[in-house]
Amino acid sequence: AQKITQTQPGMFVQEKEAVTLDCTYDTSDPSYGLFWYKQPSSGEMIFLIYQGSYDQQNATEGRYSLNFQKARKSANLVISASQLGDSAMYFCAMRVPGAGTALIFGKGTTLSVSS
Amino acid sequence: DTGVSQDPRHKITKRGQNVTFRCDPISEHNRLYWYRQTLGQGPEFLTYFQNEAQLEKSRLLSDRFSAERPKGSFSTLEIQRTEQGDSAMYLCASSLEAGGNTEAFFGQGTRLTVV
Repeated sequence: AQKITQTQPGMFVQEKEAVTLDCTYDTSDPSYGLFWYKQPSSGEMIFLIYQGSYDQQNATEGRYSLNFQKARKSANLVISASQLGDSAMYFCAMRVPGAGTALIFGKGTTLSVSS
Repeated sequence: DTGVSQDPRHKITKRGQNVTFRCDPISEHNRLYWYRQTLGQGPEFLTYFQNEAQLEKSRLLSDRFSAERPKGSFSTLEIQRTEQGDSAMYLCASSLEAGGNTEAFFGQGTRLTVV
């Protein structure tokens, strides 16, 4: 069965600092995709970054990078230079095409950025 | 195009009443998904459509739930005989393809409260 685990219920960081949000996943399928979404208090899920299981390099999108360690089945999100607007809930998700099209989400991590 | 839109944003209903939510996906997207998110949890998959065909349903989708996507455009999710356990955020998402690296774009959700 496919599963996403996010063990940090809440993280606190000061503005301009970097923060790492942890995500581990479980699947026996060799082909899968890993996603990170941000959910502000407004409720909308905002796509941040994607990593494919066969990608050789870690994904980066602006201030977001994904630390993909395949052997450890981890896909941690790194946010550099945190901003106040980064305060939100962050979800790690996985899609396994061989098991359906749905995204499987973790429970999320609440990030609070202070000035 | 302003993205995925959902209506209403909030719904309060009495237990036993029927409710219907609407989702308008991004116009060129052929895939549409419904998710349910309860407090402190990540979204859980309910069902998805490719064009007008409902291709996958989660076991979470009890017989009180029905979803339609006539003509492959907007979709409706109906809950009959609502129960307090149905209180949740109902999220709609759409995507153009379902390959491993295709992100889904989410709406802001409909928050249902059953009293």
